[in-house]
Amino acid sequence: NAGVTQTPKFRVLKTGQSMTLLCAQDMNHEYMYWYRQDPGMGLRLIHYSVGEGTTAKGEVPDGYNVSRLKKQNFLLGLESAAPSQTSVYFCATLRQLINTEAFFGQGTRLTVV
Amino acid sequence: AQKITQTQPGMFVQEKEAVTLDCTYDTSDPSYGLFWYKQPSSGEMIFLIYQGSYDQQNATEGRYSLNFQKARKSANLVISASQLGDSAMYFCAMREGSGGSNYKLTFGKGTLLTVNP
Repeated sequence: NAGVTQTPKFRVLKTGQSMTLLCAQDMNHEYMYWYRQDPGMGLRLIHYSVGEGTTAKGEVPDGYNVSRLKKQNFLLGLESAAPSQTSVYFCATLRQLINTEAFFGQGTRLTVV
Repeated sequence: AQKITQTQPGMFVQEKEAVTLDCTYDTSDPSYGLFWYKQPSSGEMIFLIYQGSYDQQNATEGRYSLNFQKARKSANLVISASQLGDSAMYFCAMREGSGGSNYKLTFGKGTLLTVNP
């Protein structure tokens, strides 16, 4: 049982390049999230999804797009990467029941030069 | 306004002593859950403990306990008998909502705990 898997784990991009981060879960969780973690800022929500085919903006959505065509996958896209998007990105999943914790992927360390 | 406030950017504790990490929260929803996560230097997020807004007793999990003071909207994490392996970043988080809107999950900025030998 893999849980939540993020691909890739590390990536270096040049300014202006594009890329897609993949979050895959095998727990059949309804909700999925993309967070970014920067020093001193905690985890900030970029986009989230409450079900297949749905997406919504979080706290810091600018410069990112997402899609959830299948329930188990949540993709985060950077169309034109900027140095300000250098960060560690975490995917998380949640069940619908309120008394359950979020499960996290192992994180993706992205550097934009 | 901050939903989750962790006022201690860094904390130091001696090995084998107890330490309290502070967390206050802000919500008007009667139904919510509070969580603590640990992030060691390796980077993964490790779930520690959960407290529901309707739970009458404070949650405990081994050496971890959550000091839940609902009226003060605080959910402090207490680690007893600290170990060197407890050195890590600790995040407080809140899940708000009931029914169909219980998907909001907000994190604080974290507290970096260092355990000294």
